[in-house]
Order: sequence, then structure tokens, then C-alpha cells
Amino acid sequence: KQEVTQIPAALSVPEGENLVLNCSFTDSAIYNLQWFRQDPGKGLTSLLLIQSSQREQTSGRLNASLDKSSGRSTLYIAASQPGDSATYLCAVALASGTYKYIFGTGTRLKVLA
Amino acid sequence: EAQVTQNPRYLITVTGKKLTVTCSQNMNHEYMSWYRQDPGLGLRQIYYSMNVEVTDKGDVPEGYKVSRKEKRNFPLILESPSPNQTSLYFCASSPTTGGADTQYFGPGTRLTVL
Repeated sequence: KQEVTQIPAALSVPEGENLVLNCSFTDSAIYNLQWFRQDPGKGLTSLLLIQSSQREQTSGRLNASLDKSSGRSTLYIAASQPGDSATYLCAVALASGTYKYIFGTGTRLKVLA
Repeated sequence: EAQVTQNPRYLITVTGKKLTVTCSQNMNHEYMSWYRQDPGLGLRQIYYSMNVEVTDKGDVPEGYKVSRKEKRNFPLILESPSPNQTSLYFCASSPTTGGADTQYFGPGTRLTVL
């Protein structure tokens, strides 16, 4: 059964620091991997989507990588800002036409001004 | 504005009283899904729908029902709610099935069952 783990559960960094969030999954048979951002009291916002055939995706200060063979993805945030404070979630879409998604429990990020 | 809407946003009810949480999207998306979010457990998929009249179970379907009679609507039904269904519920939609596209999430419904 696919399991998705995110470490650390919480992270506090000073403004301006570059940081890496980790996501690991147990079964490499995935269709894609997505990173989401969740602000308190709000829904999830998609940040980056990496198809299983891709190695990385970039959007502004965000870069996500995918290594299917090792079951890992990282989300790199450059020059962090207080506005980046949120919970970051990764999710995998299972392959084999099951149309299911498995989410990690998230990393709660706080960027200090 | 392209969006996924859920109603109600907050609901307090009692054990056994049937309720429905509505979900609607205006983007003509094929795929829709329901999740529940609990502390320490993350988001878990309840049910999903690949298109009208096509639904399937996610990881935690017990105690829930869904229907997809129209493309835009995907209501979540709790026939006999119990306290362990107290949770934050999210509806999501995606343009296509198969996981090729990202999901767009609604704002969430916070349900408390006493």
C-alpha cells in the first residue's frame, strides 16, 4: 500500500534562507506527484505538478524534483519570505488507472521576519 | 471566476441526523473527489468520480455516500453521522481523469458531530 511521508513535520527559518522540504513515497508506481500549499482556514493551492516521466518543475522561487527510483521528491524554496509561511503538502497520483491520490501529512513552515 | 464551492462551510450536528455537503465546480471538470483532513493523518480520499454516474471508493469510504448526476455537482452524504466523522472536508476537481492534471480544491467544510 502506498504511503507518503513528509519530514520534518514543522520547520522555522529566518527570512531569506533557502530551504528544502522532503517527501518520500513507498511505491514508485505513480502517475504524478504534486506539491500543494495550505493556508490556515483555507483550501489547498497547487504549486507544482511533476509527471512521472519528468525530473523537475520550476515556478518562480520554487523548484520541485522527482526521483521515482528512490521514492523521493524535494521542494526547494529560494530566498524565503514571511508570506511563504504555510503548510506544504505533497500528493501522489497512483498509476494503473485507479484514479486515487495519496497525500502526505505536510510540513508546517514558518518564515520569521 | 473558476472555482470549486462547498456548502455549508461550517456545520454542527448530532449523531444520526442525515446531512449533505454540496460541492459544485464551474470549470467543466471530469474528475471530482472528496477528502477528509484530520490532525496527524493528513488528507485521505473518501470517494472520487471520473465522470457523470461513475464513482468509486477512496481509502476511507465507510459511512459516506456520493452521487454524480450532473457534471458540475458532487454531493457528499452522511446517512447517519457519528462523532468519528468530525473532520474538515474538502472537495476537489480536475480537468481530466488519470492524474494528468492538477486538482483544484474548495475552501473546506468543517463538520462537528456531537
